[in-house]
Amino acid sequence: AQTVTQSQPEMSVQEAETVTLSCTYDTSESDYYLFWYKQPPSRQMILVIRQEAYKQQNATENRFSVNFQKAAKSFSLKISDSQLGDAAMYFCAYSTQGGSEKLVFGKGTKLTVNP
Amino acid sequence: NAGVMQNPRHLVRRRGQEARLRCSPMKGHSHVYWYRQLPEEGLKFMVYLQKENIIDESGMPKERFSAEFPKEGPSILRIQQVVRGDSAAYFCASSPWRTGEGELFFGEGSRLTVL
Repeated sequence: AQTVTQSQPEMSVQEAETVTLSCTYDTSESDYYLFWYKQPPSRQMILVIRQEAYKQQNATENRFSVNFQKAAKSFSLKISDSQLGDAAMYFCAYSTQGGSEKLVFGKGTKLTVNP
Repeated sequence: NAGVMQNPRHLVRRRGQEARLRCSPMKGHSHVYWYRQLPEEGLKFMVYLQKENIIDESGMPKERFSAEFPKEGPSILRIQQVVRGDSAAYFCASSPWRTGEGELFFGEGSRLTVL
């Protein structure tokens, strides 16, 4: 079974600084998708960024980028120029390509942004 | 375009009562997913439905839990004879089709408290 591990229960960053959230996963599949979701205090999950495993290029979305290391099964999220609105729980998730949208989530990392 | 709507946002039940959680997917979305989030945990997949069909219920407890997505109306997650361990946030998500690409649109969740 696929598993997703986030080893940092909590992280903090100063406003305007950069922070990296870690995620590792375990799978025997060769094609799959990886995601970072953000859950602010309002609790609605929002997709931050998505990476297709067959793509070597790391995905980027404005201030958010990933470091995808397929051989190491690592998928970290880098947030640049952190803003107060980035404070939230961040969940790493995995989905098998071609399957249903049955996501496997990590336990999450709580990010605090200090002014 | 309204997002995924869940109600009630908060529900309190005594042990042995029934809980019904409702989810209206985004307009044009015919695929619905239910996830459960226990305290300090990530989301866990419960069930995947299309209109009038249960596609995958591998994450659903075998007893007391049921889900439906009728031709008309919202999807319903029903928990009979609730126990304290059912206390959790229940999230609904929808997608327009089964893409295998994993992008889901989440509601704000329903928090069930069992006394």
